[in-house]
Amino acid sequence: DVVMTQTPVSLSVSLGGQVSISCRSSQSLVHNNGNTYLSWYLQKPGQSPQLLIYKVSNRFSGISDRFSGSGSGTDFTLKISRVEPDDLGVYYCGQGTQYPLTFGSGTKLEIK
Amino acid sequence: EVQLVESGGGLVQPGRSLKLSCAASGFTFSNYYMAWVRQAPKKGLEWVATISTSGSRTYYPDSVKGRFTISRDNAKSSLYLQMNSLKSEDTATYYCARHTYFDYWGQGVMVTVSS
Repeated sequence: DVVMTQTPVSLSVSLGGQVSISCRSSQSLVHNNGNTYLSWYLQKPGQSPQLLIYKVSNRFSGISDRFSGSGSGTDFTLKISRVEPDDLGVYYCGQGTQYPLTFGSGTKLEIK
Repeated sequence: EVQLVESGGGLVQPGRSLKLSCAASGFTFSNYYMAWVRQAPKKGLEWVATISTSGSRTYYPDSVKGRFTISRDNAKSSLYLQMNSLKSEDTATYYCARHTYFDYWGQGVMVTVSS
């Protein structure tokens, strides 16, 4: 199984600041078709997860350009710039390249 | 607007069965793979099952294989999860989600397995 390791476990940021969350996979996430199925999700308190980024760097519909994804192979990063109060919650990375599908353990973002 | 609405959760004793449903609307249901993802209390996300557009292919992690069955009715735009031989560790909120990127999620339904 592909193990997804997220760091840090939690972080605190001031409003307007910038943060980066790392996600590393135990195997390459490059699919046989050439695509890399690495996604990022945000679960706000009391809500269902929502998709932010898919295929490493593609923002989902309606997602602010303050969110950006990058990386390749086994090493991926989510950056959030100009942090706003509504950004708080738990961020998860997830891989859809091979079964079983797996998620990282989450990074909790708190606002200072 | 895409909507996914789960139902069928509740309290069930260990070893018993429960069937979850997910009603989809706002998109052509038959064109998409669909999935179930669960989240134990205060824990992270765990993928539970995926089904192909026609229902001919299904995928499960080892933790539920042989106990859970995902199915769909394209005519009714509905997704199902039959859960048998339930264990305490199956206690979680179960989300219906649209595959491949889990781009849309339902509000979730709570399943509690306890005597």
